[in-house]
Amino acid sequence: GAGVSQSPRYKVAKRGQDVALRCDPISGHVSLFWYQQALGQGPEFLTYFQNEAQLDKSGLPSDRFFAERPEGSVSTLKIQRTQQEDSAVYLCASSGQGATEAFFGQGTRLTVV
Amino acid sequence: SQQGEEDPQALSIQEGENATMNCSYKTSINNLQWYRQNSGRGLVHLILIRSNEREKHSGRLRVTLDTSKKSSSLLITASRAADTASYFCLIYGQNFVFGPGTRLSVLP
Repeated sequence: GAGVSQSPRYKVAKRGQDVALRCDPISGHVSLFWYQQALGQGPEFLTYFQNEAQLDKSGLPSDRFFAERPEGSVSTLKIQRTQQEDSAVYLCASSGQGATEAFFGQGTRLTVV
Repeated sequence: SQQGEEDPQALSIQEGENATMNCSYKTSINNLQWYRQNSGRGLVHLILIRSNEREKHSGRLRVTLDTSKKSSSLLITASRAADTASYFCLIYGQNFVFGPGTRLSVLP
């Protein structure tokens, strides 16, 4: 595809439910990033992949958050036992070799009720 | 936690005026990128400046980088109402963190 694609665009989950958010990066991009953006705030870093290797997961807020990119392309961010404070927009970005521009998807808006 | 800071947090100007936003950071960087975000929309990449560059231009945008002061500025000249948005810097170094952003309002 032409850009970074995220699905679903909107997700409503009941508290305690598990959710999975998908990111399709730009084809050939080796780096993939996940961010969490609360309303009115800047994006907060969650985790970073280079190909299939998760090089930095220091931003994941708890062990309920898990991300994977098994084949170095599509990535999934999973949140277990969702809480209301998990409500946010989850943004995915990808960039090519050599620290180039990071291109962002439209995000998944998660609302936990 | 974020390692970047931006100022001002909010800026309100008249159409035609220039807008300047600043971003400061704490660690060494590979590059610094500026993004625009309209309310409820995605992040749009504006410009990337590498650590060995001091200034870059793109249309009405001018970005400077001072690595000795660990700061960058984004200047939008001859602003338009359509420039109303939040502007974020992305610090691309050991980490990949955003500043908290500047909310720009351009009044017609």
